[in-house]
Amino acid sequence: AQTVTQSQPEMSVQEAETVTLSCTYDTSENNYYLFWYKQPPSRQMILVIRQEAYKQQNATENRFSVNFQKAAKSFSLKISDSQLGDTAMYFCAFLAYSGAGSYQLTFGKGTKLSVIP
Amino acid sequence: KAGVTQTPRYLIKTRGQQVTLSCSPISGHRSVSWYQQTPGQGLQFLFEYFSETQRNKGNFPGRFSGRQFSNSRSEMNVSTLELGDSALYLCASSPNRLSSPLHFGNGTRLTVT
Repeated sequence: AQTVTQSQPEMSVQEAETVTLSCTYDTSENNYYLFWYKQPPSRQMILVIRQEAYKQQNATENRFSVNFQKAAKSFSLKISDSQLGDTAMYFCAFLAYSGAGSYQLTFGKGTKLSVIP
Repeated sequence: KAGVTQTPRYLIKTRGQQVTLSCSPISGHRSVSWYQQTPGQGLQFLFEYFSETQRNKGNFPGRFSGRQFSNSRSEMNVSTLELGDSALYLCASSPNRLSSPLHFGNGTRLTVT
């Protein structure tokens, strides 16, 4: 079974500063996908960034980038130039083939990020 | 393009009752998956439907069931409700299987009293 661990339940950052959220996972699979999702108070989960395990290059989306360390099974999210609208719960998620034509998405417990003006 | 629509937004039920939640995926999306979100357990996978067939099921009791219609809309049913079923239920859709990025709805907040 796959597990995803987010060791930081809560974090805060000053507006315009940079913050890094940690995520580690455990799997015996070689091919998988990793995601960071954001859930603001509106409750809707929004995809922030996605990484395919077979790609060595770290994914980047504007102010969001990841540090993907496959051997260490680590997938951290860096938010640069933090904005008030970044305040939300952030979930790390892992997707892999689970057999018999099925895929399963496993989420971490989340990190509550607060951006302070 | 309309997003994923979940109805109702809020629901209050009594123990022992049953409930049906609805999810309309983004037009053209064929995969629908369901998740339960609680403060204690976080987000847990319930099941995935693709082409009207359940493709995968999480570790939930048989009281939790679902189905998908030919237009890809999905319903989730919980029978004999328990207090512990109180949660935010999220639905997500993707064009094909789960390998595509998921698009989530706003969820249905279920409270069991």
